[in-house]
Amino acid sequence: GESVGLHLPTLSVQEGDNSIINCAYSNSASDYFIWYKQESGKGPQFIIDIRSNMDKRQGQRVTVLLNKTVKHLSLQIAATQPGDSAVYFCAENNVDSWGKLQFGAGTQVVVTP
Amino acid sequence: SQTIHQWPATLVQPVGSPLSLECTVEGTSNPNLYWYRQAAGRGLQLLFYSVGIGQISSEVPQNLSASRPQDRQFILSSKKLLLSDSGFYLCAWSGTGAGELFFGEGSRLTVL
Repeated sequence: GESVGLHLPTLSVQEGDNSIINCAYSNSASDYFIWYKQESGKGPQFIIDIRSNMDKRQGQRVTVLLNKTVKHLSLQIAATQPGDSAVYFCAENNVDSWGKLQFGAGTQVVVTP
Repeated sequence: SQTIHQWPATLVQPVGSPLSLECTVEGTSNPNLYWYRQAAGRGLQLLFYSVGIGQISSEVPQNLSASRPQDRQFILSSKKLLLSDSGFYLCAWSGTGAGELFFGEGSRLTVL
């Protein structure tokens, strides 16, 4: 989900369970979406991307789903591990402003043993 | 392989002092370069981007400026820091025509 104010939404997941992180975007012209993972005190790292002509894309333990009808993006992490604890950001881009990503506010994922 | 470095990693500066954060990219040529700022518990806000030497676009009015003196060097500066300039500053690069950004490790600035 998206945060309002200063507090990031937090997703608490038990180790081994699947995680689903949601993101709503507002620009219907966006045609490229990216998920980033940011560990504390570090720069964001690329996880997976998806083009607007796709509904689903899979990577290693991660799947991104895109629903353009409702402008919704989700990241699914299979068998969540302690190393998955981080803040996850979705970002959108479009050909008119290529490279100038618009970031969501982020979701804090906490993996519990 | 391409790498991006930014420094210093942390900086504590008094109000009214100058600022210079530096970012360099290796292993690629003519990258697009970006400066983002991240306030605590927030997403990333684009401050500046550059598509070439000496070409700087500012996204938001502010107390900061950016320069690109060399192809793979991007500098974020201020003549007089404000308390509101505190934050986590991230440099990033992308290839021309590509959407994915590659980020540096960030510079945490605290203005007192």
